[in-house]
Amino acid sequence: DTAVSQTPKYLVTQMGNDKSIKCEQNLGHDTMYWYKQDSKKFLKIMFSYNNKELIINETVPNRFSPKSPDKAHLNLHINSLELGDSAVYFCASSQQGANTEAFFGQGTRLTVV
Amino acid sequence: AQSVTQLDSHVSVSEGTPVLLRCNYSSSYSPSLFWYVQHPNKGLQLLLKYTSAATLVKGINGFEAEFKKSETSFHLTKPSAHMSDAAEYFCVVREGGYNKLIFGAGTRLAVHP
Repeated sequence: DTAVSQTPKYLVTQMGNDKSIKCEQNLGHDTMYWYKQDSKKFLKIMFSYNNKELIINETVPNRFSPKSPDKAHLNLHINSLELGDSAVYFCASSQQGANTEAFFGQGTRLTVV
Repeated sequence: AQSVTQLDSHVSVSEGTPVLLRCNYSSSYSPSLFWYVQHPNKGLQLLLKYTSAATLVKGINGFEAEFKKSETSFHLTKPSAHMSDAAEYFCVVREGGYNKLIFGAGTRLAVHP
């Protein structure tokens, strides 16, 4: 069973389009995240949700809007896509707590052309 | 604020020789530290974590790391490299009190026959 699954795995789209990435976890965790990995492999947190509530919102353009319909899902919607949005986006989940690790999905490679 | 510095962007070893990937952290609190591995075009997998128990932490695939508070280091080692160890390795600190994992820039490990 896949612990953290995100779809699609690959996404190629034109500038200006709107797209969504879906994420689901079956680990019973109460915290979920979106991370962005750039072309140099650097990983930076974008958002964190705890029990469906937004608790971390880094300096991300407001074209990016996360939505958590329940604890097991955290989707990412991106409006008016730009070339610079091309990256790999990772969803992750963890239990609340200082010592807990995060479990990551396989990533969504977004290419904006 | 907490941060991690991975001292080498690339490390190259021969198969069967020891591996050392260096990581220094900055933290105001007793940190939670992790090492993750990312194989090409894959997600992130937890190798090991330090959570203020034993300072020498053993992980999967023969990796281990030692927490040294006096040196603010958490270096990753393996006695004998295998070809399958070739990947990107990330040292990570959990920011105390927040649901936020902060990643180092990564170290690419190459293993030669």
